[in-house]
Amino acid sequence: GAVVSQHPSRVICKSGTSVKIECRSLDFQATTMFWYRQFPKQSLMLMATSNEGSKATYEQGVEKDKFLINHASLTLSTLTVTSAHPEDSSFYICSANSGMVNTEAFFGQGTRLTVV
Amino acid sequence: AQKVTQAQTEISVVEKEDVTLDCVYETRDTTYYLFWYKQPPSGELVFLIRRNSFDEQNEISGRYSWNFQKSTSSFNFTITASQVVDSAVYFCALVSGGYNKLIFGAGTRLAVHP
Repeated sequence: GAVVSQHPSRVICKSGTSVKIECRSLDFQATTMFWYRQFPKQSLMLMATSNEGSKATYEQGVEKDKFLINHASLTLSTLTVTSAHPEDSSFYICSANSGMVNTEAFFGQGTRLTVV
Repeated sequence: AQKVTQAQTEISVVEKEDVTLDCVYETRDTTYYLFWYKQPPSGELVFLIRRNSFDEQNEISGRYSWNFQKSTSSFNFTITASQVVDSAVYFCALVSGGYNKLIFGAGTRLAVHP
């Protein structure tokens, strides 16, 4: 199956700093990528839809200025957590589709962010 | 509105028991897709199955089987002869409305004990 690579898998950062997470589709072009957040023992909540070449679409309640998304190419989307705080500590996971509607989403390995 | 309900928060079984994970979905769209994913302790999501709304045939893959019933808006997942390696969180998810956004259920944590 298609492969989506997410990096880093774990990151610890100091409060107030910014952290960038990368999501790459390795063997297909992803016009759309999705970013999810998962708190411990909870479900995945969609944060935003990343569209190649255009602005991301954020879900209600997600701060655009806090979670910056860039989808500069068909194989790479980045999520930057700006001015991170301990409450931003979570598991972030991306997914990518080939662009066809209702196709299987391929997930990255996830990034566990800890803000200290 | 689209919604996925997994009423079972946690299930604990002994190895070799059969276990069924329930999933009930809501959507007004006639075309939609249902998924099951497995999330082991490592965190990554493992795709198990995708089923479209026009295909109500049940599916069996090894020890796994799925029962899709549109009449009750359910897409249940059964593991036969469970094994310790089946211990994970299982998510049911829905895609509909011509978008690729996955709507996840709350997940069911399955613990299989030796």
